[in-house]
Amino acid sequence: DGGITQSPKYLFRKEGQNVTLSCEQNLNHDAMYWYRQDPGQGLRLIYYSQIVNDFQKGDIAEGYSVSREKKESFPLTVTSAQKNPTAFYLCASIRRGVEERGYTFGSGTRLTVV
Amino acid sequence: AQSVTQLDSQVPVFEEAPVELRCNYSSSVSVYLFWYVQYPNQGLQLLLKYLSGSTLVKGINGFEAEFNKSQTSFHLRKPSVHISDTAEYFCAVRLYGNQFYFGTGTSLTVIP
Repeated sequence: DGGITQSPKYLFRKEGQNVTLSCEQNLNHDAMYWYRQDPGQGLRLIYYSQIVNDFQKGDIAEGYSVSREKKESFPLTVTSAQKNPTAFYLCASIRRGVEERGYTFGSGTRLTVV
Repeated sequence: AQSVTQLDSQVPVFEEAPVELRCNYSSSVSVYLFWYVQYPNQGLQLLLKYLSGSTLVKGINGFEAEFNKSQTSFHLRKPSVHISDTAEYFCAVRLYGNQFYFGTGTSLTVIP
């Protein structure tokens, strides 16, 4: 069955380190998204990409970077410039033209700064 | 700005009691509306959606929601909740393209 795979499920980072969260989908979806989730704040959009080699900043892009070299993959790098990176990160995707199906989400990565 | 408002951040309810989780959106254009459920440390799963047509939509796990255009609401209901319904619930709206807007979530706790 197709789906979105996020890895790792849990990630620990030392202060000052960059870390990369993986998001891979085999749904042939065009658009991919990264959200950050903090308690009581819902989902906040970090970056999104509509097509390969193109991406746009969301509401809270500072301290994060992404790439979209392949349709299937949309990795997120949390840089040392992100002052409070401890959170739950969710990747989502959707196929253009069938937006009525809604987003498909991965199972998330919990990042903790130690 | 367009937005989605979930009026209750936490809803405790006894097992087998009915529950309503409220969602209001701000838009005068045609929208797609969705409810998602999130279990602890997992991603979001689609519960149900309204695209057009009948204003009462049924989803998985016995949930249903009613679209009310005049009140710009899309409240989620279940007549009898189970312990396994304890989760976070998100309302979302799609206004155009493939950009969705999510509410801040409602944490449903079912008390035995």
